[in-house]
Amino acid sequence: SQQGEEDPQALSIQEGENATMNCSYKTSINNLQWYRQNSGRGLVHLILIRSNEREKHSGRLRVTLDTSKKSSSLLITASRAADTASYFCATDGSGGSYIPTFGRGTSLIVHP
Amino acid sequence: DTEVTQTPKHLVMGMTNKKSLKCEQHMGHRAMYWYKQKAKKPPELMFVYSYEKLSINESVPSRFSPECPNSSLLNLHLHALQPEDSALYLCASSSRGGTVMNTEAFFGQGTRLTVV
Repeated sequence: SQQGEEDPQALSIQEGENATMNCSYKTSINNLQWYRQNSGRGLVHLILIRSNEREKHSGRLRVTLDTSKKSSSLLITASRAADTASYFCATDGSGGSYIPTFGRGTSLIVHP
Repeated sequence: DTEVTQTPKHLVMGMTNKKSLKCEQHMGHRAMYWYKQKAKKPPELMFVYSYEKLSINESVPSRFSPECPNSSLLNLHLHALQPEDSALYLCASSSRGGTVMNTEAFFGQGTRLTVV
């Protein structure tokens, strides 16, 4: 069953702009992860943020987590055409389940 | 080696065929997963193997039969599929710390299955 809900469902921006995607979830989590998927192929792990962390950076990516609001955001700075992909958040489920459970995803298009 | 390898990449099968999807990882991960993904939808969990034992079956029809011959291999046997089973089938693996997943899941590139 889905737990995360990404917002927006689709995002279209110009190269160089920043892209922000949000994820909301329903039940308590141990960690939250963001993945990228290009053209219906495999998912690539981007960042894992634990429930006791508030912010994490990796290169041009910045992830925040607000457990009080049960939400997370993924910011991609200085976007490139190669960032065009679908982005999914995945939570580990409630009750200590370790299985990645995916939200519906955000489709990002970066125009050159 | 941080790869999960899935074969074949593409598969077209008839409704009376029997085929198998294969997944392999050599990262020493003890949790392996099968997901099904339809176009423009998120991956949906099908099966979870933990320490080579089936731990979760998300009410998947019996025409899908998983198998974990050893800690590095995961198969999905297909028989008498329906056209609506056409989808991208993704395999993933992760290490486990007790019951909490505190590391990322690594995904294969998937098998694009078409049932005709």
